[in-house]
Amino acid sequence: EAGVVQSPRYKIIEKKQPVAFWCNPISGHNTLYWYLQNLGQGPELLIRYENEEAVDDSQLPKDRFSAERLKGVDSTLKIQPAELGDSAVYLCASSRGQGGQETQYFGPGTRLLVL
Amino acid sequence: GEDVEQSLFLSVREGDSSVINCTYTDSSSTYLYWYKQEPGAGLQLLTYIFSNMDMKQDQRLTVLLNKKDKHLSLRIADTQTGDSAIYFCAEIRSGNTPLVFGKGTRLSVIA
Repeated sequence: EAGVVQSPRYKIIEKKQPVAFWCNPISGHNTLYWYLQNLGQGPELLIRYENEEAVDDSQLPKDRFSAERLKGVDSTLKIQPAELGDSAVYLCASSRGQGGQETQYFGPGTRLLVL
Repeated sequence: GEDVEQSLFLSVREGDSSVINCTYTDSSSTYLYWYKQEPGAGLQLLTYIFSNMDMKQDQRLTVLLNKKDKHLSLRIADTQTGDSAIYFCAEIRSGNTPLVFGKGTRLSVIA
């Protein structure tokens, strides 16, 4: 069974530029999560999707961050415009069930550096 | 407190046992997890324990749960250099809440 796939693995951009990250969850997993991991910290949830519905986006900075999961499978996280403080690892995870109580499996992450 | 607490560093000699400790926050947490993160990689699920269990063993890994003290530990027997990584404790709190992580414990294994 393939794991969670993320691309790109690394991204370097200048501040004020837009950037997008892509995630394909494990086949059959209904719930998809985007996390932010700052250096030396644990991951923090940005948004959780159950199928195509965003059920928890309370921690997503909506002025510059957006996400979509149009067909309830893969998802895109976008930052526009990027700021220096956005440099971090963006992790995608998925779980089989709904309600956020299921075991989550993580992708390798996208490492973003904003210059 | 509101945070999942872990000590930041642990250093052990190869072949010894490692014990990584965690204090979580919600006595009603349903599941508690241990994830491993190697340099430049994502989080790998190591093991988890349901809140009605006191202990779970999986090969070299032993998880102990003390619900009274809200304390979780991960013991790695016969620690190898390949075990060097950051280990994250995480809890799923009661209700429709997200997975909450500690800051991670960096395990260094000395050959």
